[in-house]
Amino acid sequence: DVKVTQSSRYLVKRTGEKVFLECVQDMDHENMFWYRQDPGLGLRLIYFSYDVKMKEKGDIPEGYSVSREKKERFSLILESASTNQTSMYLCASRGGGVYGYTFGSGTRLTVV
Amino acid sequence: DQQVKQNSPSLSVQEGRISILNCDYTNSMFDYFLWYKKYPAEGPTFLISISSIKDKNEDGRFTVFLNKSAKHLSLHIVPSQPGDSAVYFCAASVRNNDMRFGAGTRLTVKP
Repeated sequence: DVKVTQSSRYLVKRTGEKVFLECVQDMDHENMFWYRQDPGLGLRLIYFSYDVKMKEKGDIPEGYSVSREKKERFSLILESASTNQTSMYLCASRGGGVYGYTFGSGTRLTVV
Repeated sequence: DQQVKQNSPSLSVQEGRISILNCDYTNSMFDYFLWYKKYPAEGPTFLISISSIKDKNEDGRFTVFLNKSAKHLSLHIVPSQPGDSAVYFCAASVRNNDMRFGAGTRLTVKP
């Protein structure tokens, strides 16, 4: 089975800090995605990547950036964390001609 | 602007009865639809999918129906079990591109 691993389950950061959320997948998938999940809003797409060094903005990229230096790793960066970025962050990957995503377990980030 | 909408935030049913979860979409280009199930503190897991060339797909207790003219799909769970209690997300994509999700419906199945 494909495994998508997010490095932290829970994070607490201070306003203004630079925050890195790491995601690693082990099945050589080309596509990787970052979503945030908020009550009443569901999963909203932040950024995605279809290949190494490639990135595309999703629906809510403001305040975020990403890095994909290696195929298996897709990092989400909060340049200067703010309280409205408190959320559950979910990483997903897709590959092998399959439409569905495989999700990681999520990182619950609290910005204080 | 949400392209995929789940208008019922919650649903409660009795064990053994049918659960029907609904989803509407606005983008007529969507051609692949999926349902995901999410337990607390876990990532969503794939449940069932349907392509736009079909109007029904069945997998055990789970059936998804697609009505393209109404831009509506539904997930039927029969019979419902307490272990089905979770948040269910509807998702849609255009070909094999990035996916859009609904807000989710929390299903509670009471013993």
